[in-house]
Amino acid sequence: EVVMTQSPVTLSVSAGERVTLSCRASQNLRSNLAWYQQKPGQAPRLLLYGASTRATGVPARFSGSGSGTEFTLTISGLKSEDFAVYYCQQYNNWPPITFGQGTRLEIK
Amino acid sequence: QVQLQQWGAGLVQPSETLSLTCGVFGGSFTSYYWSWIRQPPGRGLEWIGEINDSEDATYNPSLESRVTISVDTSRRQFSLKLNSVTAADTAIYYCARVNRGTGTVFANWGQGTLVSVSS
Repeated sequence: EVVMTQSPVTLSVSAGERVTLSCRASQNLRSNLAWYQQKPGQAPRLLLYGASTRATGVPARFSGSGSGTEFTLTISGLKSEDFAVYYCQQYNNWPPITFGQGTRLEIK
Repeated sequence: QVQLQQWGAGLVQPSETLSLTCGVFGGSFTSYYWSWIRQPPGRGLEWIGEINDSEDATYNPSLESRVTISVDTSRRQFSLKLNSVTAADTAIYYCARVNRGTGTVFANWGQGTLVSVSS
């Protein structure tokens, strides 16, 4: 099973800042990695797939990079609606599909 | 636009069977895979399994002995059964659509159903 490790667990930032979230995989994923955003009481929302391709309707301030075992999600110019929990998910070596434990982005 | 609406019992007795169904409204049903994912309260996401309209199912090995995912193409529904449940199975259960064209990622989700296992 591919273990996904996200860091940091919690990130406190101010609106308008630029933040980078990290996701590390225990095996080579090539570019088969997705990112999701989840707000309280809601289902996750797909942000990126293929490590860097934005899903339909996702603002350009969300960007992704990386391949292999190291990936990042960058949010430029944080808005109030971006404060949420972010998960990475691998789909290169499965079953099972696995998710990271999440990074909580909170307002400083 | 596709919408997924799920339903099922919110309280299940220990050792009994959890049963949920997800209906698909709009869009194609036969061109996709359909998944179940769960999330214990306050915790992360766990993939349970998936199925397509040809009834090809794949499960998480950690749950495979207790899980059955089935599909009813005529009703545009797919279902989850998890037997011999314990308190560890208490979670929000989500159904989701997989578009293989973009990889096994989940672009469309149901609203989630909180299932509590308790006597």
